[in-house]
Amino acid sequence: EVRLVESGGGLVQPGGSLRLSCAASGFTFSTSWMQWVRQAPGKGLVWVSRINSDGSSTAYADSVQGRFTISRDNAKNTLYLQMNSLRVEDTAVYYCARGGVIDYWGQGTLVTVSS
Amino acid sequence: DVVMTQSPLSLPVTLGQPASISCRSSQSLVHSDGNTYLNWFQQRPGQSPRRLIYKVSNRDSGVPDRFSGSGSGTDFTLRISRVEAEDVGVYYCMQGTHWPLTFGGGTRVEIK
Repeated sequence: EVRLVESGGGLVQPGGSLRLSCAASGFTFSTSWMQWVRQAPGKGLVWVSRINSDGSSTAYADSVQGRFTISRDNAKNTLYLQMNSLRVEDTAVYYCARGGVIDYWGQGTLVTVSS
Repeated sequence: DVVMTQSPLSLPVTLGQPASISCRSSQSLVHSDGNTYLNWFQQRPGQSPRRLIYKVSNRDSGVPDRFSGSGSGTDFTLRISRVEAEDVGVYYCMQGTHWPLTFGGGTRVEIK
């Protein structure tokens, strides 16, 4: 069974940093592209970032380019999202998702940026 | 970026009746490899999204056969043949043909 379990969310002040993790199991993580997608409270789904299977290629939404960094550790079956210079508008549930064209989603972790 | 436009925003349906959700893209979703990467996701209240349909019309394992997807090019439809109480939630289309991935704004299905 495919499992994606996010962690690392919480309350942070504007300008602060957080590192999200996504622990993967039930599939061959090292051969899977992975994504981060976020959902602001009461809003729709917005793609944030993706990484290829070996971590050599990454891409970001314009809204997070230069502030967020996606990475992975295939030995630990874990995906990461380092979020710096956080803004109020980054407040959302962050989901990790499997695949170049998403099939499975994690349960999400809430990031709240507020003073 | 490819803009995905869903309609309606809200869809009140009587139990046992059919429902239909439209999704239109701002450009063709036919990939150079010949596939059309259009997925449908269901998000029940308080849950994460779950994929129902991939590549326009392929139902995922465990998805009831009352759900079906159709369409081509820029025009796609998700149909529920007979709505059940467990179908309440928000439905999203998503295109994966062009980078970046983009989602429709969602259609909320509720019971009348």
